[in-house]
Amino acid sequence: GAGVSQSPSNKVTEKGKDVELRCDPISGHTALYWYRQSLGQGLEFLIYFQGNSAPDKSGLPSDRFSAERTGGSVSTLTIQRTQQEDSAVYLCASSLTGGLNTEAFFGQGTRLTVV
Amino acid sequence: DQQVKQNSPSLSVQEGRISILNCDYTNSMFDYFLWYKKYPAEGPTFLISISSIKDKNEDGRFTVFLNKSAKHLSLHIVPSQPGDSAVYFCAASQGGSEKLVFGKGTKLTVNP
Repeated sequence: GAGVSQSPSNKVTEKGKDVELRCDPISGHTALYWYRQSLGQGLEFLIYFQGNSAPDKSGLPSDRFSAERTGGSVSTLTIQRTQQEDSAVYLCASSLTGGLNTEAFFGQGTRLTVV
Repeated sequence: DQQVKQNSPSLSVQEGRISILNCDYTNSMFDYFLWYKKYPAEGPTFLISISSIKDKNEDGRFTVFLNKSAKHLSLHIVPSQPGDSAVYFCAASQGGSEKLVFGKGTKLTVNP
């Protein structure tokens, strides 16, 4: 696959349940980002991974949110005890080396709906 | 408090004419600005960027202008094509941070 792949593309979950969102970055890309877009809003930064460095978690909205990146490749974003305000499109992006002059490629996103 | 504002939610332009998309920011520490384009059901794609040391950057039909004193940037597309119809997001960062702050987007429609 040439692009960033996210799964599932859509997820409907009941309030209070945990969800896991997966991102497969482009092979060889060392930088990985998670953003989310709530209805009518811009993209909101969540977390950034670069190689083996400690991730920048400053955008995670609460301790219910966590993310990991295994083996420097696949990343999983976990939301525990989901709330209705967590409903959004969650977007993953990767870039070759990170840095603003390196183009980040986005996946199609996972649309999460909490009912 | 929104640091990056795109005050026009939508814009409609005739094919062949110029499209001008505007973006305002409040944080004077921002020093790097980007525009992304997003088609429905797809992720955003990078379009063009500009550093605060410049006031203009051009790439084919796309030009970004930066007015630091007014904290304003704009994206010009000329000539506009129907395939340019998409949502355009303005984004900004400071100090080389990977954390981009996005505006809410402007939906551009180019009519044939």
